[in-house]
Amino acid sequence: DTEVTQTPKHLVMGMTNKKSLKCEQHMGHRAMYWYKQKAKKPPELMFVYSYEKLSINESVPSRFSPECPNSSLLNLHLHALQPEDSALYLCASSQITGTSGRDTQYFGPGTRLTVL
Amino acid sequence: AQSVTQLGSHVSVSEGALVLLRCNYSSSVPPYLFWYVQYPNQGLQLLLKYTTGATLVKGINGFEAEFKKSETSFHLTKPSAHMSDAAEYFCAVGYSSASKIIFGSGTRLSIRP
Repeated sequence: DTEVTQTPKHLVMGMTNKKSLKCEQHMGHRAMYWYKQKAKKPPELMFVYSYEKLSINESVPSRFSPECPNSSLLNLHLHALQPEDSALYLCASSQITGTSGRDTQYFGPGTRLTVL
Repeated sequence: AQSVTQLGSHVSVSEGALVLLRCNYSSSVPPYLFWYVQYPNQGLQLLLKYTTGATLVKGINGFEAEFKKSETSFHLTKPSAHMSDAAEYFCAVGYSSASKIIFGSGTRLSIRP
């Protein structure tokens, strides 16, 4: 099973709302990722968790707050977003082999976020 | 700086024709190379990857890619295009010294009936 699930599929929120995106995998992977993808662009890395600890933050604004409650779950908490934050948010996971660049990332279907 | 270039943001081929999507990387260290496909409103799906060993890599859906170190390339091919191959294709490169992979800008593949 190489499935990563994400909920919700679509989310519309106002600039004053607080919402959360959820990602789950049951492949035993110990690295999990959040990406942001704008239309007709490649995914942009936001955060990486390794063994449930934040290992990479690509200078993401604090209105995005990641959380990794356990090895299977990854959340992205959203607060006071801007319209330009509207995008497809992708979650991915991978094994940790000790050679990061070689680890295959498996992606979820994404959450389409619209900020009004 | 390490980077990956996909030549051609849009490629259009006829159904049954050869598909060739180009990917070049820049690096002085051995790369790990990936091709992902993204169908509309979906996530990315791994087509194939090269880590070490055989330079011709076979993937899903009839796609294959060849790692050519001398040309720093990892082009994706399929002998006969199907309508269902229409999608966005991303080449990506990783390195043992880096904790993330670098994506190319993507190539949109269209199939003409």
